[in-house]
Amino acid sequence: QVHLVESGGAVVQPGRSLRLSCSASGFTFSSYAMHWVRQAPGKGLEWLAVISYESSNKYYADSVKGRFTISRDNSKNTVYLQMNTLRVEDTAVYYCAKEGAPPASYSSGIDYWGQGTLVTVSS
Amino acid sequence: DIQLTQSPSFLSASVGDRVTITCRASQGISSYLAWYQQIPGKAPKLLIYLASTLKSGVPSRFSGSGSGTEFTLTIASLQPEDFATYYCQQLYPYPFTFGPGTKVDI
Repeated sequence: QVHLVESGGAVVQPGRSLRLSCSASGFTFSSYAMHWVRQAPGKGLEWLAVISYESSNKYYADSVKGRFTISRDNSKNTVYLQMNTLRVEDTAVYYCAKEGAPPASYSSGIDYWGQGTLVTVSS
Repeated sequence: DIQLTQSPSFLSASVGDRVTITCRASQGISSYLAWYQQIPGKAPKLLIYLASTLKSGVPSRFSGSGSGTEFTLTIASLQPEDFATYYCQQLYPYPFTFGPGTKVDI
């Protein structure tokens, strides 16, 4: 079955950087786009970024564009989120998630999610 | 970017009730909309995609409809395990955005 495991969450000071990783298994990782979504404590879901199956296309939410970078290594079945210049408002649980649709198709939603990793930005 | 609103933001219901949640988009998105359920402390779960397609394994009491700018999620007969927060998400174009959520409580 599909399994997504995030890691790298930590407590960091404002202005610092952090890289999250997500290890995937149970499906052909190199055939699907991957997303990052976050949820601040007690708040709703916020979509952050997506990377296409072969890394040629990346899209970001305006709130993180220029600060966060999504990448993937298909040889390691892993997707990453590099987060720079972190702000207090970036405090959230960060979810790695799998796109439901195959390449060259419109999205059919996020069909599998990891358990999330907590990032706390505080001085 | 496309903005989504949901109504109501909070809904109090009983087991067996028929529940309808509305999601409105700031511009037309055809049928590129998904619905998710999130139980506290858990990751979201995909219920419906492309506005009305039920994900495999999701109970048939869940249904979705709509296109353009107005969409609905209906739970035909609310079960105890359905008390959760429900989010809509637009799936075209990027950036994808979520609605603010509707909490369904007892």
